[in-house]
Amino acid sequence: SYELTQAPSVSVSPGQTASITCSGDKLGDKYICWYQKKPGQSPVLVIYQNNKRPSGIPERFSGSNSGNTATLTISGTQAMDEADYYCQVWDSSVVFGGGTKLTVL
Amino acid sequence: QVQLVQSGAEVKKPGASVKVSCKPSGYTFTSYSLHWVRQAPGQRLEWLGWVTPGTGYTKYSQKFQGRITITRDTSANTAYMELSSLMSEDTAIYYCARDMATASYKVYFDLWGQGTLVTVSS
Repeated sequence: SYELTQAPSVSVSPGQTASITCSGDKLGDKYICWYQKKPGQSPVLVIYQNNKRPSGIPERFSGSNSGNTATLTISGTQAMDEADYYCQVWDSSVVFGGGTKLTVL
Repeated sequence: QVQLVQSGAEVKKPGASVKVSCKPSGYTFTSYSLHWVRQAPGQRLEWLGWVTPGTGYTKYSQKFQGRITITRDTSANTAYMELSSLMSEDTAIYYCARDMATASYKVYFDLWGQGTLVTVSS
């Protein structure tokens, strides 16, 4: 079965750029999306189809996908961005990455 | 208001079944597929399956095949996820989520229910 790998944690200072990566075999051939999940809340879609932002998602969130790695970039990271981030693709079923905990400190 | 409203928390004994409902509002029920995703404590999000409300078509994760049934009632505008032979490892928050994609390989979930906590304990 297809696997998506994410680093367990990433730290960033407020105002800096956070990069969260997701890796998988030939991932660039697939459409990837990203979810933000805060404790006690439902997931929120922040990027879909590699680099599209849903309405209401700040412009500081962007995405890219090429080769074996996809990246979610958060520019000018704010304290409110502290959350778990999950990547997701389709490979005969829906597959989620293990999640990355973003700490803003 | 566009939202997915799920049924309330459940406590079940091992071996029992649980049925969780998901009622969309604010859009046409039959327009988009509904998926079910769960998250056990400290674990990643995990996909269970989907239903296409307009046709009743379903697809399940191989992991849950034989133990999960996803249905929809178009008269009630509600989707259901039933999981049987429950084990302690099934303790999780179960979410329904709307898929806006026009093809399965583009699947993404733009709208999520509030989640239903299912606790399996003897």
